[in-house]
This record gives sequence, C-alpha cells and structure tokens, in this order.
Amino acid sequence: EAQVTQNPRYLITVTGKKLTVTCSQNMNHEYMSWYRQDPGLGLRQIYYSMNVEVTDKGDVPEGYKVSRKEKRNFPLILESPSPNQTSLYFCASSFSGVRTYEQYFGPGTRLTVT
Amino acid sequence: QKEVEQDPGPLSVPEGAIVSLNCTYSNSAFQYFMWYRQYSRKGPELLMYTYSSGNKEDGRFTAQVDKSSKYISLFIRDSQPSDSATYLCARQAGTALIFGKGTTLSVSS
Repeated sequence: EAQVTQNPRYLITVTGKKLTVTCSQNMNHEYMSWYRQDPGLGLRQIYYSMNVEVTDKGDVPEGYKVSRKEKRNFPLILESPSPNQTSLYFCASSFSGVRTYEQYFGPGTRLTVT
Repeated sequence: QKEVEQDPGPLSVPEGAIVSLNCTYSNSAFQYFMWYRQYSRKGPELLMYTYSSGNKEDGRFTAQVDKSSKYISLFIRDSQPSDSATYLCARQAGTALIFGKGTTLSVSS
C-alpha cells in the first residue's frame, strides 16, 4: 500500500529534551515536506526537500532541523523543544516539479511540549 | 505568506444540500489550485486540482477558479454525511503549497 508513515503518532515531552519525528514514504517520491497545523493558523510549511541531500526552509523553520540522507526518509528534529512547538505535525511527499500539487500526507504526529 | 484566505466556518448543512466553499488569493503568479479534504484525526488528502482558470468536475464535486476576481470555489452537490470534514484550498507556489486555514463542513442526515 502506498503510504506516508510517521512515528510516533503522539508524543509528550519536556522543554529542552531533543526529539526526532520520523517520516517515511514508499512511493519513490523526490519531494518531501514537513508542516505544522495549529488552530486558527492552518497548515504551515516548516522545511522541504527536493531530493536526497537537498533541503530548504519553509515558512516557519525556526527551532527545527531536517535531513534527507535517503530518498524514502525525512526526519524532523527538534533540538531543544519549547512549548510554542506544541502542534500537530504532518509529513508529506510527492513527485517533484509541477506535480507537487499532489502531496500525500502522513497521519500526523501530535506533539505536546510542557 | 497569507496569500490564500478562507472562511473557517463552521458550515452546517442538511443532507442533500448544495455546498459552496470559497477562497480568495492575492498573488496571480501561479497556476495550480487545489482542494484538500481532511477528516478528523487524519492527514489531508487531495480532492481536486485545477490548472489555470475554469471549471473541473468530478462526480458531485466541482472546482472553479476565477482569475479575474482571484476566487477559488468548491461546489458539492447532493451533500452526504460522509462529506463532513475540513476542506483546505491551496495554491502552488514554486516548490511549496500555500494553504488556506480550512473550512469545517458538517452535513447532517
């Protein structure tokens, strides 16, 4: 089954404790992206990757890191989480170029930072 | 980049009603417009997309883009309780997607 998987689905952590949210896709997509979704603010892009070893900032990159060492994986790293990073996070993937209009989203990771 | 504005609703309609969801955008330098549907506790999924302007129909759903007024619309005919979800309009901006905030629709039986 073609899908984007994220782990963990739910995470409660404390301020400053480094964490990683994994994302993996099995559709051979070049493009991968991370979004956060907050009430009243909608979906906002954090980082994206056009292909292996190619990443770039989205609209809200502060406090986040990413890496793309393999085509299928795109982990999101929070080196020192803060309460304002409490949010619902989505990973997405698609073919590159104009076909980024058709993005496949993972099930989401709900993160709470206390 | 608040370039896609969408009324968050919520919007409540009875089963069988025609639903109209709308967005406005401010930057005309792009061509792909999308509607994503998001069920509760799920990730968004692409519902429809249109290229440039005009209409596109898929079953009970019609997507419409009016470039002269910078308006994006989604019409749902014969709405069903299974259509209850949040609908997100989006436009393609280079390698990124810019989403509206979403309109939550509830269809009652």
